[in-house]
Amino acid sequence: DSGVTQTPKHLITATGQRVTLRCSPRSGDLSVYWYQQSLDQGLQFLIQYYNGEERAKGNILERFSAQQFPDLHSELNLSSLELGDSALYFCASSPDSRDNQPQHFGDGTRLSIL
Amino acid sequence: QQPVQSPQAVILREGEDAVINCSSSKALYSVHWYRQKHGEAPVFLMILLKGGEQKGHEKISASFNEKKQQSSLYLTASQLSYSGTYFCGTEMVNDMRFGAGTRLTVKP
Repeated sequence: DSGVTQTPKHLITATGQRVTLRCSPRSGDLSVYWYQQSLDQGLQFLIQYYNGEERAKGNILERFSAQQFPDLHSELNLSSLELGDSALYFCASSPDSRDNQPQHFGDGTRLSIL
Repeated sequence: QQPVQSPQAVILREGEDAVINCSSSKALYSVHWYRQKHGEAPVFLMILLKGGEQKGHEKISASFNEKKQQSSLYLTASQLSYSGTYFCGTEMVNDMRFGAGTRLTVKP
């Protein structure tokens, strides 16, 4: 158990809809990362937050947005969903904003677009 | 720029050794290695920093050649539990990129 909690585990919805994925980092971790993993693909870095502020941005689409709240949990919002958005979405956390720290991953949210 | 991993897949017998390579076209700050079993979350193995150091985790070790912008993961006397997909992640300031992964299968 990594200590990172993601909800829901599975999400099934239709094209054009909007969903919110939630992540609670490990106790004491201030940084949260979001990744997208399509079927049998690698991990695509989407975005990182540190202590409520956006710190780094990767290949995140404009239809996607994220935020980190004062209690350090984070939400990833995906809107105008397309079939290609079907993927496993992982959240990871690390203690602070410095690089060179291990990231601890949650079990992921599997998003299926019908 | 995503790092390139090789090989894409490897099948071993229990007790055999394997090497997984990770290379980048950009100067690297550090390299992370993770293992992901099917249907599970990636699990951290180790981080290597600039300086060519080698690190170990059980019978798994890795090296980082900063000049060549490469890292290699060495799996010695593989066990069934080593099966999974191994990802390298290359880190530059505020930017983390993962390779496409190397699928390792260890058979009895």
